[in-house]
Amino acid sequence: AQTVTQSQPEMSVQEAETVTLSCTYDTSENNYYLFWYKQPPSRQMILVIRQEAYKQQNATENRFSVNFQKAAKSFSLKISDSQLGDTAMYFCAFLNRDDKIIFGKGTRLHILP
Amino acid sequence: KAGVTQTPRYLIKTRGQQVTLSCSPISGHRSVSWYQQTPGQGLQFLFEYFSETQRNKGNFPGRFSGRQFSNSRSEMNVSTLELGDSALYLCASSPDGLALHFGNGTRLTVT
Repeated sequence: AQTVTQSQPEMSVQEAETVTLSCTYDTSENNYYLFWYKQPPSRQMILVIRQEAYKQQNATENRFSVNFQKAAKSFSLKISDSQLGDTAMYFCAFLNRDDKIIFGKGTRLHILP
Repeated sequence: KAGVTQTPRYLIKTRGQQVTLSCSPISGHRSVSWYQQTPGQGLQFLFEYFSETQRNKGNFPGRFSGRQFSNSRSEMNVSTLELGDSALYLCASSPDGLALHFGNGTRLTVT
């Protein structure tokens, strides 16, 4: 069975700094998708970034980028120039297209002024 | 485009009762999925519907059921409520079965 592990329950960084959130997963599949979702205090989950496993190039969305290491089964999220609005719970997720999505336990990120 | 709409936002029920939660997806999205979020277990997948058919199901007891209507709106039902069913229930719709667009959730409290 697939698993997703986020080893950092909580993190705090100063505004404008760069922060990296860790995520590892376990699967025997070769084709799958990985996601980072953000859940601010308003509680609505928002898709931050998505990566297809068959693509070697790391996905980037403005200040958000990932470091996808397929062999190591690692999928970390880097937030550059962090802003107060980045304060949220971040969930890493794994999806095999024929199966159900699996979320990690989440990392609570605090951006300090 | 309007986002995913979940109703009600808050609900208080008593043990043994049943509850129905509603989800209206983004227009054009045919996939709707449901999730239970608790502090202890995190986010867990309940089920996914596509074109009125259940396409995938998580590891929840049969007390949890759902359905999808022809207009893609979905309902989730929990019968014989238990204290442990207290949670935030999230609904998400998707245009491609991959990227999820979530609603604001329904906070269910069972007393």
